Amino acid sequence: EPEVTQTPSHQVTQMGQEVILRCVPISNHLYFYWYRQILGQKVEFLVSFYNNEISEKSEIFDDQFSVERPDGSNFTLKIRSTKLEDSAMYFCASSPQGARGEKLFFGSGTQLSVL
Amino acid sequence: EDKVVQSPLSLVVHEGDTVTLNCSYEVTNFRSLLWYKQEKKAPTFLFMLTSSGIEKKSGRLSSILDKKELSSILNITATQTGDSAIYLCAVGSYGKLTFGQGTILTVHP
Repeated sequence: EPEVTQTPSHQVTQMGQEVILRCVPISNHLYFYWYRQILGQKVEFLVSFYNNEISEKSEIFDDQFSVERPDGSNFTLKIRSTKLEDSAMYFCASSPQGARGEKLFFGSGTQLSVL
Repeated sequence: EDKVVQSPLSLVVHEGDTVTLNCSYEVTNFRSLLWYKQEKKAPTFLFMLTSSGIEKKSGRLSSILDKKELSSILNITATQTGDSAIYLCAVGSYGKLTFGQGTILTVHP
């Protein structure tokens, strides 16, 4: 069964450093998302992406965050200057045409630890 | 602000028991309610509900939406140890899911 793939599974970085989290969505999906889950808290929406542009973003997704689809398969989340409070599990998700923002398929996540 | 609340927060049962998990919501633009199962990492999709009163069923799991009461329930019959997980409820509206805090279900042999 097709699945969303995320790399790396764990990322440790120093505060102030840039990180790029990578995702390969399911191949025929058109809508892409990033969510995050801080330990012990709810899963939170960060951003949605369609047709090579951001569709919607949350208040969390400030100027330090950016997303890109550099080629036909990858979808990346960049955090320019990481802060301690960026430590969280970051989930990539995708959904097929006709199910935008609804039936999401999630990857296994990247655990980001900012020291 | 959109809000999704799940109850109970945790539940401990024995194999063979039936459980009912609750989800209530207050959102500005409702399109669908989704249930996910989260084991170690990725939430995995269980159900998507859009219409009130229509039960969705998959094996021992079933779910129903009540738009009048702004709520949904997820039932699991004849529970097994493999059902132990966090069950997440989320409400979706065009590119954004708002999640509840989850119900931690533990099934003992």
